[in-house]
Amino acid sequence: DTAVSQTPKYLVTQMGNDKSIKCEQNLGHDTMYWYKQDSKKFLKIMFSYNNKELIINETVPNRFSPKSPDKAHLNLHINSLELGDSAVYFCASSRVTGGPYEQYFGPGTRLTVT
Amino acid sequence: GQNIDQPTEMTATEGAIVQINCTYQTSGFNGLFWYQQHAGEAPTFLSYNVLDGLEEKGRFSSFLSRSKGYSYLLLKELQMKDSASYLCAVRGNDYKLSFGAGTTVTVRA
Repeated sequence: DTAVSQTPKYLVTQMGNDKSIKCEQNLGHDTMYWYKQDSKKFLKIMFSYNNKELIINETVPNRFSPKSPDKAHLNLHINSLELGDSAVYFCASSRVTGGPYEQYFGPGTRLTVT
Repeated sequence: GQNIDQPTEMTATEGAIVQINCTYQTSGFNGLFWYQQHAGEAPTFLSYNVLDGLEEKGRFSSFLSRSKGYSYLLLKELQMKDSASYLCAVRGNDYKLSFGAGTTVTVRA
């Protein structure tokens, strides 16, 4: 009965590689998000899609490209990985109209770039 | 933008009460959330306040004063499993949740 799932849970890769993280939610929510949590545990929004439309696009390097094939899926592709990309990436989902508005988070993907 | 402040760390004894304060300055407000995050895990939703007053949910309560830009999370009858980071987050007009840096609560026996 996993509500928000992400794969992979751990990702270790070298600088310069390209990698993808996948996210799926089965809660029937219309909006999905990508967050980055750095080593200081600060959780920062990166992107958000509402019904497959990009609605939040924070100041993120264009090496990061989200893609939402449908309301239940949101993927994150990262090109030319850098050391500073090492962090935990969380996917989340919620409703944005009609409530309740709380976001539900996936288990996270711990990315380590060496 | 949003500016959200909360204490970095708090320590309390098992069975006691701890109050975590959160102050915010925002360009729009559509609710305040509290999340709990255990080390190595995802944040989990605790409470939501959009109107002034107290919301009680078991051992946890959350209070909001919109005029003061202030909220607190009250944890009663502390248990060892309550040791975690507690995140205050404000929802702006653009659906975006802005998080504070989190308060690490350590419960001691």
